[in-house]
Amino acid sequence: QQQVKQSPQSLIVQKGGISIINCAYENTAFDYFPWYQQFPGKGPALLIAIRPDVSEKKEGRFTISFNKSAKQFSLHIMDSQPGDSATYFCAAGLGSGNTGKLIFGQGTTLQVKP
Amino acid sequence: DVKVTQSSRYLVKRTGEKVFLECVQDMDHENMFWYRQDPGLGLRLIYFSYDVKMKEKGDIPEGYSVSREKKERFSLILESASTNQTSMYLCASSPTGTGNTIYFGEGSWLTVV
Repeated sequence: QQQVKQSPQSLIVQKGGISIINCAYENTAFDYFPWYQQFPGKGPALLIAIRPDVSEKKEGRFTISFNKSAKQFSLHIMDSQPGDSATYFCAAGLGSGNTGKLIFGQGTTLQVKP
Repeated sequence: DVKVTQSSRYLVKRTGEKVFLECVQDMDHENMFWYRQDPGLGLRLIYFSYDVKMKEKGDIPEGYSVSREKKERFSLILESASTNQTSMYLCASSPTGTGNTIYFGEGSWLTVV
């Protein structure tokens, strides 16, 4: 019930295309859903996050779509660029307590071809 | 800028050795975490600490222990390293409260031979 399942494991997209990464969760207590971006040799860094009271959040070329009833959320990268090539992790935060603990998905390696 | 510093980026240790991974954060964050990153498995939580001397087990605590004697420092200890602990280890910190950004260090690559 604590798992977050992420797909696909890897993704290759042409420059200018749309990259879509999907995540699913089971625990309805989760109330915070961030996406992290990790470049080779670096630690993950927060990219964008959403709470379940909205269905979509957009920041530049990055959009999170959230479907509370289906317990799914996804990251869309519009006009994908070679500089977007990285590993992306979805995550979910537990609603109780103040620990800020996150449960991460398995990760998606994105390659954007020029 | 928030900085989480992992003192050792690359380590090679022998089976059975005691290994210390050190992490320091400079933003006075209450929460600190140790995650392990393996291909196809994502980031798995080993231990976390929400206050000095306080710790809780994460999803994969077996074979690990932690120490937090000062607010800014969180150490991961492998009491007797084994080859299946070869991995990338990520330290992170965050302020109190859910929905706050977790800030990661750059990771420590540990190889156990």
